[in-house]
Amino acid sequence: GQQVMQIPQYQHVQEGEDFTTYCNSSTTLSNIQWYKQRPGGHPVFLIQLVKSGEVKKQKRLTFQFGEAKKNSSLHITATQTTDVGTYFCAGDTSGTYKYIFGTGTRLKVLA
Amino acid sequence: DAGVIQSPRHEVTEMGQEVTLRCKPISGHDYLFWYRQTMMRGLELLIYFNNNVPIDDSGMPEDRFSAKMPNASFSTLKIQPSEPRDSAVYFCASSLGSRLFFGSGTQLSVL
Repeated sequence: GQQVMQIPQYQHVQEGEDFTTYCNSSTTLSNIQWYKQRPGGHPVFLIQLVKSGEVKKQKRLTFQFGEAKKNSSLHITATQTTDVGTYFCAGDTSGTYKYIFGTGTRLKVLA
Repeated sequence: DAGVIQSPRHEVTEMGQEVTLRCKPISGHDYLFWYRQTMMRGLELLIYFNNNVPIDDSGMPEDRFSAKMPNASFSTLKIQPSEPRDSAVYFCASSLGSRLFFGSGTQLSVL
């Protein structure tokens, strides 16, 4: 079945440092979404990417969708303590809205 | 809008007992998803519905699990009989076919 892997599994950074998480799917995706889950909370939608090679920015967050639509990345510039949480990608392979979540990257930011 | 509402927030039960988790999606949303989250397996898609009809239940672990959506405003996930390995956070999410809106989850502990 479809698998969506993320690396790294954990990342500890000093406040102000940059952070990147990578998402890789075993199959081509029709679109990809990113979510953030705070400790003890539920996943909250961040963004959706649809086009091959698409790049979107939200303030300090930059999202990319690979040319082959099998990988994606999330980059945070100058992390803040409010960025703490687990970041998930979620891929839809067939356009049927069946979203398979990646394994997640847990980010800790040290003040 | 109140968002996706799940009940109960916490459930502690003994092995062998029946457990029923409930979900009220956001009004007007036509997709409903049940996910299970554990440290070992991450966020797993169990089943999802479109217009109250189950579309894909390939993620349901075994026959002990069943889900229903009798109308557009209510869904249940039932485990009978429950086992300790079913302990997890169960999330319900609803959607219009794009971004997922998650409920706060049900923390299930099976002793």
